[in-house]
Amino acid sequence: DGGITQSPKYLFRKEGQNVTLSCEQNLNHDAMYWYRQDPGQGLRLIYYSQIVNDFQKGDIAEGYSVSREKKESFPLTVTSAQKNPTAFYLCASSTSKGRTLGAFFGQGTRLTVV
Amino acid sequence: LAKTTQPISMDSYEGQEVNITCSHNNIATNDYITWYQQFPSQGPRFIIQGYKTKVTNEVASLFIPADRKSSTLSLPRVSLSDTAVYYCLVGDINNDMRFGAGTRLTVKP
Repeated sequence: DGGITQSPKYLFRKEGQNVTLSCEQNLNHDAMYWYRQDPGQGLRLIYYSQIVNDFQKGDIAEGYSVSREKKESFPLTVTSAQKNPTAFYLCASSTSKGRTLGAFFGQGTRLTVV
Repeated sequence: LAKTTQPISMDSYEGQEVNITCSHNNIATNDYITWYQQFPSQGPRFIIQGYKTKVTNEVASLFIPADRKSSTLSLPRVSLSDTAVYYCLVGDINNDMRFGAGTRLTVKP
C-alpha cells in the first residue's frame, strides 16, 4: 500500500538532547513537509522540501534541522536549541505537478520532553 | 502568499447541510483552493480542491465565485462523525502548504 509513515508514534526526550523523527513515503512525491501542532492550535510549517537535496525554512524553523538525501525520506531533528519542543509533529508529502488530490499526511509523532 | 480567513468555530445538528466560508482576497492567478479535515491526534485529510466555479465529490462540494476571493465548503447532511477542524488553503497547487487556524465544526445530535 502506498502511504506516508512516521515513526515513532510517541517519543520522550530529556532536556538538552537532540532527537530525530522519521518520515518515509512511497508515493513517489517530490514535495515533503514538516509541521508542528500545539494543543488546540493549527499546523505551523517548520521545513519543506520540493526536491531531493534542497529544502526551505518554514515559519518556525529555529531549533530544527532537516535533510533530504532521498526522495522517500525527510527526517526532522529537534535540537537542544528548540526551547519548547513538546508538541505533535506531522509530516506530509505531495506532488507539485498538475491537478492533485492534495497532500498526504502521516499519523504524527507526539514528542514529550521530560 | 494568499492569506485565508475562516470562522473559528461553527455548530450544527445531524442531518443539516453545513457551509464553511473562507475568504482569500489576495488569491493569485495560479492559486488553487484546497480543503482539509482533521480529527484530534491525526494528520489532516484532503477533502476537495478547486480552481473556479463548482467542484463536487462524494463527500463535499466546493463553490468558488467568479472573482475567486472566497470559497465555500459545503457538507451535505452532516453526522456526528463530521465533528472536526476544517482548514482552507490557497496556493499554487500544493507548493504553499501553510495552514491557518481552521474552523472547528461541532455536530450535535
